[in-house]
Amino acid sequence: AQTVTQSQPEMSVQEAETVTLSCTYDTSESDYYLFWYKQPPSRQMILVIRQEAYKQQNATENRFSVNFQKAAKSFSLKISDSQLGDAAMYFCASKEGAQKLVFGQGTRLTINP
Amino acid sequence: GAVVSQHPSRVICKSGTSVKIECRSLDFQATTMFWYRQFPKQSLMLMATSNEGSKATYEQGVEKDKFLINHASLTLSTLTVTSAHPEDSSFYICSARDPGQGRYNEQFFGPGTRLTVL
Repeated sequence: AQTVTQSQPEMSVQEAETVTLSCTYDTSESDYYLFWYKQPPSRQMILVIRQEAYKQQNATENRFSVNFQKAAKSFSLKISDSQLGDAAMYFCASKEGAQKLVFGQGTRLTINP
Repeated sequence: GAVVSQHPSRVICKSGTSVKIECRSLDFQATTMFWYRQFPKQSLMLMATSNEGSKATYEQGVEKDKFLINHASLTLSTLTVTSAHPEDSSFYICSARDPGQGRYNEQFFGPGTRLTVL
């Protein structure tokens, strides 16, 4: 069974600085996808970034990038030049093939002005 | 991007009554929809997977007679909380999978419904 673990319940960063959120996962499949979702106070889930397991290159979306360590089953999210609007709950998730998403426990990110 | 709507956004009901929540994919046909429950400051817990035209698949521990799911069309799935009790108060989120995404099969999330049972 898939499992996703986020060991940081809360993180904080100064505005304009860089922060890294940690995530580890476990899967027995070779075909899987990894995601980071953002849930702001509105509670709307927003896809931040995704990574296909078969791709070695780390995904990047503007200020958001991942460090995908397949052998270590680690998938961290780096947010550069943090902005006040980045404050939210961040969930790491995995999906095996076309199966269901499995979410981690979440990390609450606070941005200090 | 694809849009998923939920209605209502908030609902308050009395204990013992039933409440229906709708989830619609607005600009794509969703063969599969998912229903999640989220308690305050916690993660999303998958309740069931809903496939158009067939019975929903419930996760272990979720009462199928309590949480009735109907996926009657490619754009609409409904979750009915029957004989609601205060412990059913929660935030319910649906998502819809766009088969047009091919192998990736991205899920798009609705804005959620806050249910309060008095």
